[in-house]
Amino acid sequence: TQLLEQSPQFLSIQEGENLTVYCNSSSVFSSLQWYRQEPGEGPVLLVTVVTGGEVKKLKRLTFQFGDARKDSSLHITAAQPGDTGLYLCAGGPTGAQKLVFGQGTRLTINP
Amino acid sequence: DAGVIQSPRHEVTEMGQEVTLRCKPISGHNSLFWYRQTMMRGLELLIYFNNNVPIDDSGMPEDRFSAKMPNASFSTLKIQPSEPRDSAVYFCASRASGGAADTQYFGPGTRLTVL
Repeated sequence: TQLLEQSPQFLSIQEGENLTVYCNSSSVFSSLQWYRQEPGEGPVLLVTVVTGGEVKKLKRLTFQFGDARKDSSLHITAAQPGDTGLYLCAGGPTGAQKLVFGQGTRLTINP
Repeated sequence: DAGVIQSPRHEVTEMGQEVTLRCKPISGHNSLFWYRQTMMRGLELLIYFNNNVPIDDSGMPEDRFSAKMPNASFSTLKIQPSEPRDSAVYFCASRASGGAADTQYFGPGTRLTVL
């Protein structure tokens, strides 16, 4: 069974600070996605990365897929209260149609 | 587009009762997924369908759980009999094609409480 471990599980920081969330596995994934979930709602896709070493930017969010396609990171610059939420990474095993989700990182940005 | 629709949004029932959760995927999407989310176990895939056919039900916890997709626009997840440990938020998601890298669109979830 392929597993994805996210760290940290909880993170509370002040507005304006930078942060990085990690998603690690011992297995190779053909693709990796990051979702954000707000209370009372379903997860919403932020980004998909498919190439080892790939970097994608979404405004103040930077996503990177590891060279070996076993890990990924999400970096937020100058965090804002609107970034508060549960961030989930999800990997697509090679040849599979389903996703494996990490446990999530619950992020709180304090004004 | 209305997105993925789930009903009910909240369900409170007593142990032993039958519970039926409903999902309407986005029109034109070929794949449908049922997930369960708890604080302890996170988001777990229960079952998924391609073109209305169940492909992988290895995540279904036990025989008390069953899922059907009688047509492209409707799916149900049934728990009979329900137990307190089934309390969780159940999500339905749909996807346009068969690739894992493609976007899954999640519904708002059904919060189930079994007393």
